[in-house]
Amino acid sequence: AQSVTQLGSHVSVSEGALVLLRCNYSSSVPPYLFWYVQYPNQGLQLLLKYTSAATLVKGINGFEAEFKKSETSFHLTKPSAHMSDAAEYFCAVRDSGGGADGLTFGKGTHLIIQP
Amino acid sequence: EPEVTQTPSHQVTQMGQEVILRCVPISNHLYFYWYRQILGQKVEFLVSFYNNEISEKSEIFDDQFSVERPDGSNFTLKIRSTKLEDSAMYFCATSSGGAREQFFGPGTRLTVL
Repeated sequence: AQSVTQLGSHVSVSEGALVLLRCNYSSSVPPYLFWYVQYPNQGLQLLLKYTSAATLVKGINGFEAEFKKSETSFHLTKPSAHMSDAAEYFCAVRDSGGGADGLTFGKGTHLIIQP
Repeated sequence: EPEVTQTPSHQVTQMGQEVILRCVPISNHLYFYWYRQILGQKVEFLVSFYNNEISEKSEIFDDQFSVERPDGSNFTLKIRSTKLEDSAMYFCATSSGGAREQFFGPGTRLTVL
């Protein structure tokens, strides 16, 4: 069975500082990995995805993530935090199987940006 | 930009009542999903639907739940007899398949009293 662990339910950074949100996964097959962002009272928006191509994936809003198979990690980073980045971030995994597979989500990390 | 829409945005019901949550997928998408998020908890997969039948379902998706695509456009989730613990945000998602990402709707907040 797949699982996702997000370390830190809350992460606080200063505006302009590096953002690092951690995600570790377990999967019995090569996974597809995703980061979604959820702003208050809104749905989930895809930030980026890894689907076995380049290990460094660039997403929207300046975010990127690196797939490290040896560490079973897919951490999300952004060089310089902006106030608008304050939101809930979810890492998700899916077996690299057919399109009907559901996503398994982590518990989420609430990103707080200090002015 | 095409998007997934869901209605209603908020549904309040009495315990034991039936509710139907509706989703309009992105037009060329073939795979449809329902997820739920209980307040303060993670998003959980309920069911996936492809070619007019359920493809995969989780343990949460018991006999109280059903899905259908009644008119070729809407994709619905029915909860037959709601319980207090069904109170959650329900998200519809759709995908064009394969390795493609799932696009999520804004959600329906279900409150069971």
